[in-house]
Amino acid sequence: KAGVTQTPRYLIKTRGQQVTLSCSPISGHRSVSWYQQTPGQGLQFLFEYFSETQRNKGNFPGRFSGRQFSNSRSEMNVSTLELGDSALYLCASSPMTGTTGELFFGEGSRLTVL
Amino acid sequence: AQSVTQLGSHVSVSEGALVLLRCNYSSSVPPYLFWYVQYPNQGLQLLLKYTSAATLVKGINGFEAEFKKSETSFHLTKPSAHMSDAAEYFCAVSLALDGNKLVFGAGTILRVKS
Repeated sequence: KAGVTQTPRYLIKTRGQQVTLSCSPISGHRSVSWYQQTPGQGLQFLFEYFSETQRNKGNFPGRFSGRQFSNSRSEMNVSTLELGDSALYLCASSPMTGTTGELFFGEGSRLTVL
Repeated sequence: AQSVTQLGSHVSVSEGALVLLRCNYSSSVPPYLFWYVQYPNQGLQLLLKYTSAATLVKGINGFEAEFKKSETSFHLTKPSAHMSDAAEYFCAVSLALDGNKLVFGAGTILRVKS
């Protein structure tokens, strides 16, 4: 069974640009969550999507947005990039939401903002 | 709001020695608790989880953790460290009402000396 796939794995952007990251969950998983990992702030929850609906949202500015498609694939977008947005963005999938089940993480997309 | 504190950002043990990684949580309601491991340039992998069943939880790779409500702790242990255990370990808490939102501790980097 294929794991969680995130693309691209690495990317470099400049301040003010926007970026879209993609996440393909494990087949059959309907929940996709996104986390930002930085050396200073650690792992922080961005948002969760379940059945194409945003289930929960973390404390991030409106520049961070996401969506989920009918096939459960998810994308997150960051507009007007800032230097502080440089981070590893991790996607995690789960069969359901709110059942305290295991989250399966992808290897992440490492974003560098110059 | 729930939170997690991991005592010690770096822990160093000798191969074959006991591994003890400390985690204390704060939650207004009974939480669900998790330990995840992250190897370099990889995503997170679940080691074990506590979901209000047995207080002593056994996980993969010989790790276990004990939920102590009176101490609000969920420390991770392994009787005998192996070189392959060198990684970063994260304790996390969630509430069922929050869906799949996890609140992570800052992480503990485990170094295993030969």
